[in-house]
Amino acid sequence: GIQVEQSPPDLILQEGANSTLRCNFSDSVNNLQWFHQNPWGQLINLFYIPSGTKQNGRLSATTVATERYSLLYISSSQTTDSGVYFCAANSGNTPLVFGKGTRLSVIA
Amino acid sequence: DGGITQSPKYLFRKEGQNVTLSCEQNLNHDAMYWYRQDPGQGLRLIYYSQIVNDFQKGDIAEGYSVSREKKESFPLTVTSAQKNPTAFYLCASSMTGGGYTFGSGTRLTVV
Repeated sequence: GIQVEQSPPDLILQEGANSTLRCNFSDSVNNLQWFHQNPWGQLINLFYIPSGTKQNGRLSATTVATERYSLLYISSSQTTDSGVYFCAANSGNTPLVFGKGTRLSVIA
Repeated sequence: DGGITQSPKYLFRKEGQNVTLSCEQNLNHDAMYWYRQDPGQGLRLIYYSQIVNDFQKGDIAEGYSVSREKKESFPLTVTSAQKNPTAFYLCASSMTGGGYTFGSGTRLTVV
């Protein structure tokens, strides 16, 4: 099945800094999503982005399906951005496969 | 408001006990999923169902069972055969081929 790899595994930022999180996947995808897991464990959907570019406030994402990667950009980071960011993807009609996540800590 | 509800939020299980985690959605989604998350890890698939009265095993189905008698409901039973059940359990739903929506999770602890 599809494999999903995320980098970096950990990231520490000063408040106000920008960052880029990367997700590589091993096969063509039908679905690719970015999630933020908050300190209480809730998974919040950030983007549904099997291809192209989307923006939502300070966050944006780009998926280059032909090269099998996706990027999540966080600009002007805030302490509330802290948590774990997961990329998940599937191919065909199979369930989402998750990467191991990037743990982001934003310090004031 | 449409959403997906998991209950209880916290659950304690004694050795040898079966426990059932509830997952209900009112999004009219066809498919539902159960994932397990261990501390500091990603999510691993336990079971999924793409249609009522049908479900498939995921990567770590041993020691778990599910049913899908109604479109809205996909309960997960953690049986005594699951040797290491302490974990965070997340339920999700989706339209076929669409984005996933997750519930808020159940934290299961063996005491």
